[in-house]
Amino acid sequence: GESVGLHLPTLSVQEGDNSIINCAYSNSASDYFIWYKQESGKGPQFIIDIRSNMDKRQGQRVTVLLNKTVKHLSLQIAATQPGDSAVYFCAEKGNFNKFYFGSGTKLNVKP
Amino acid sequence: GAVVSQHPSRVICKSGTSVKIECRSLDFQATTMFWYRQFPKQSLMLMATSNEGSKATYEQGVEKDKFLINHASLTLSTLTVTSAHPEDSSFYICSAHLTGGRSYNSPLHFGNGTRLTVT
Repeated sequence: GESVGLHLPTLSVQEGDNSIINCAYSNSASDYFIWYKQESGKGPQFIIDIRSNMDKRQGQRVTVLLNKTVKHLSLQIAATQPGDSAVYFCAEKGNFNKFYFGSGTKLNVKP
Repeated sequence: GAVVSQHPSRVICKSGTSVKIECRSLDFQATTMFWYRQFPKQSLMLMATSNEGSKATYEQGVEKDKFLINHASLTLSTLTVTSAHPEDSSFYICSAHLTGGRSYNSPLHFGNGTRLTVT
């Protein structure tokens, strides 16, 4: 499958600060991307998605940025809260609606 | 609330036995479901695509005779780990598109996973 990777395995931030989680993808033909949050012992939870015809999309406290030129995706979380502590994955859509996941970043929010 | 339900959430079995995991779509029909496996502190690896009414398609390197998939109805897919061994111990997670796979770009929604421990 396609290769989707992350550079930072762990990110520690202070409560109230903004967090930025990055992801690199390899398939320039990918046209749809998703960010997921996974808490310990649970399945991934959908956060936000973006189509390749957009470069930015905002949700509640979250923003996803897509840079197709360098095949880079980021997730910004505003005013990070302790409840945001989890592992975050980006996922890239491949053929037949299959999704391939990046290696994940653990976000640790310090009170 | 949950839209994809998995059962059981945890299972312990002895080496050599088989284990069946169920994945159900709640309140929607899914012609396609996806099975992933996740080792501790690692990412989700796609194992196979479960197709209602036809054979599952497996990712490269996944043994189809080891991981039997049956998509018996539009709301149920099962994964059977046959002759399980300790190296099969993992977190197995299923997923489906709320649109049932008919929409081109729609997110996958995941069940809460099944923790399999083979002793």
